[in-house]
Amino acid sequence: GQQVMQIPQYQHVQEGEDFTTYCNSSTTLSNIQWYKQRPGGHPVFLIQLVKSGEVKKQKRLTFQFGEAKKNSSLHITATQTTDVGTYFCALEDYGQNFVFGPGTRLSVLP
Amino acid sequence: NAGVTQTPKFRILKIGQSMTLQCTQDMNHNYMYWYRQDPGMGLKLIYYSVGAGITDKGEVPNGYNVSRSTTEDFPLRLELAAPSQTSVYFCASSYRGPGANVLTFGAGSRLTVL
Repeated sequence: GQQVMQIPQYQHVQEGEDFTTYCNSSTTLSNIQWYKQRPGGHPVFLIQLVKSGEVKKQKRLTFQFGEAKKNSSLHITATQTTDVGTYFCALEDYGQNFVFGPGTRLSVLP
Repeated sequence: NAGVTQTPKFRILKIGQSMTLQCTQDMNHNYMYWYRQDPGMGLKLIYYSVGAGITDKGEVPNGYNVSRSTTEDFPLRLELAAPSQTSVYFCASSYRGPGANVLTFGAGSRLTVL
C-alpha cells in the first residue's frame, strides 16, 4: 500500500508565529486532501489539491501541492489559539479508500 | 441533515464480550468507512464499503466484521473484545463522483476494553 509521512510529529509555537507541516508520499498522487482534528473532536475536511504545483489559500492557511505530486505542505501564518489541533494529509489509495498520514499535532501558546 | 451519526459515544467492555458500533448517514453517500484512532496516533482503516451489499477489508480488519444492507447504515461488529481494541472509532462517508471526494466523519465512539 501507499506510504505517507508527515513532519514534524509535534510543533509548539507561540501565538502569532508561523507554522508549516509537510506531507510526503512514496508514490505519485492523483490528489491530496488535508483534514483538521481539534482535541477530542473528529477530523474535518479542509481542502483538496489536484494539480501539480497548485497553491490554495484559506484566510491564514496556505496549501501547496508539489510539482511532482509526491508531497504537499500546509502553512499557517500568524497562528492563533483556534489553530490548535492535529493536521492530517490523506491520499486516495487505488481510488477506493483513503490513507491518512500520522498527523502533525500543533499546540499554540498564548 | 444530521450527517454521520455514531452510537454509542462511549462504551466499556470486558474482555471477550461482543458489541456493535452503529453508524448511519443521511447524505445518500455511496461510500462508507470505519477507522480507528489510538491515542496520539493517526487513523487506520478497518473496513470500507463502496455500496450496499459490498464490503472490503482495510489495513486492520482482524477482530472486526461489518455489513452494509442499506445505503444509510454501516455497523461495525467487535467479536471477543480484546484490550488491543481499546480505541476511538470513527465512521465516515463520502460520495464518489466527479469533483472532490470528501470524507465526512461522525463524532466518534470511544471504546475501552478491560
